[in-house]
Amino acid sequence: GAVVSQHPSWVICKSGTSVKIECRSLDFQATTMFWYRQFPKQSLMLMATSNEGSKATYEQGVEKDKFLINHASLTLSTLTVTSAHPEDSSFYICSALRRAGTQREQYFGPGTRLTVT
Amino acid sequence: KQEVTQIPAALSVPEGENLVLNCSFTDSAIYNLQWFRQDPGKGLTSLLLIQSSQREQTSGRLNASLDKSSGRSTLYIAASQPGDSATYLCAVRPATNSGGSNYKLTFGKGTLLTVNP
Repeated sequence: GAVVSQHPSWVICKSGTSVKIECRSLDFQATTMFWYRQFPKQSLMLMATSNEGSKATYEQGVEKDKFLINHASLTLSTLTVTSAHPEDSSFYICSALRRAGTQREQYFGPGTRLTVT
Repeated sequence: KQEVTQIPAALSVPEGENLVLNCSFTDSAIYNLQWFRQDPGKGLTSLLLIQSSQREQTSGRLNASLDKSSGRSTLYIAASQPGDSATYLCAVRPATNSGGSNYKLTFGKGTLLTVNP
């Protein structure tokens, strides 16, 4: 149980275009999901917290108008990178918060490799 | 602001050797600490989660310890195998009532482990 998927697993796009990445919790409902970005040999950096039915909460330094997050259902959050530039090329990982009794644990997706040319 | 440091950044050992990975964090007000494994270009697999009240957790050949007061954790891998080769990440979750989201994880940069046959 507690499987999280991401789609696509990798994407190449041209500079100036927009790319949408999906994160799904397959066997549990998640009112809270998280989006991370990871550059080569660097740590995962939290970009934003996605809340079902409300606006996302962005970390300091993350442009909310550039990284649009929509958490429209209890099993799906999407991250749209608008007007992508080469510096947005990175590995994007989502996680979904599973609540079981008093336990809370994040389960991570397999990641999406974005390359902007 | 919480900072997580992992030492060493990379480690190469012969098969069969026992090894220790280190993780330190600057703010001891944590709820739990988690060790993850990340294979190249992949997402995260949770290995062990230690609650702040616990001293250690074990799973198979893995043993993680936690000394919250000194801000340290270690991951011990016994009888290493080539299949253990991966990047190992340490992440801490803040204690409740520490402000902001209580579920945000702060990650270290990881230790790249190579086990040679």
